[in-house]
Amino acid sequence: EAGVTQFPSHSVIEKGQTVTLRCDPISGHDNLYWYRRVMGKEIKFLLHFVKESKQDESGMPNNRFLAERTGGTYSTLKVQPAELEDSGVYFCASSQDWRGGAGGYTFGSGTRLTVV
Amino acid sequence: AQTVTQSQPEMSVQEAETVTLSCTYDTSESDYYLFWYKQPPSRQMILVIRQEAYKQQNATENRFSVNFQKAAKSFSLKISDSQLGDAAMYFCAPAHAGGTSYGKLTFGQGTILTVHP
Repeated sequence: EAGVTQFPSHSVIEKGQTVTLRCDPISGHDNLYWYRRVMGKEIKFLLHFVKESKQDESGMPNNRFLAERTGGTYSTLKVQPAELEDSGVYFCASSQDWRGGAGGYTFGSGTRLTVV
Repeated sequence: AQTVTQSQPEMSVQEAETVTLSCTYDTSESDYYLFWYKQPPSRQMILVIRQEAYKQQNATENRFSVNFQKAAKSFSLKISDSQLGDAAMYFCAPAHAGGTSYGKLTFGQGTILTVHP
């Protein structure tokens, strides 16, 4: 089966611009998570979708971040306007079972976002 | 809220030898899951091993095993017969098992493992 796909793999934008990251989970995985790692810090949870609904968005840093999950399939994470501190690697993970199942959560390779 | 501490920023091991990576965590929950993930230079996070907190038996997965001490909130990873392909950054991550934050992983700072031939 295809894994979790994220694109772009890299994005360099100027401060104040808008960027949209996309995540395609494994087909049939209802649970989709976004995480990010900013330079020198731990990987932090951003939000959790169950199908198309936001189950937990407690990790979203501010209202410049908007996440959607169309029809319970792929998800997008838009940053508008981007700030320097938004630079980092954004990971997406999906799972069929909210407990991660025997296979755990499957992660994408991440999008490295650089805001200059 | 959960917190995770990986006290070893870097570890190294000779090929074919054994290494143990430490992890302690703090949680107020009684039910949760614990994971070790590895992240090689390719950047994709790969599951190494998973442990249910309600199980006393330590999980094993081929050359990988854990020492889970629930009372001490300790979850160390032992890699036996280390291979060059084991070189990566390793993350310890408990996951909430209930409430609105179910499934949410809390990551430690990571341990960079180097394997010497």
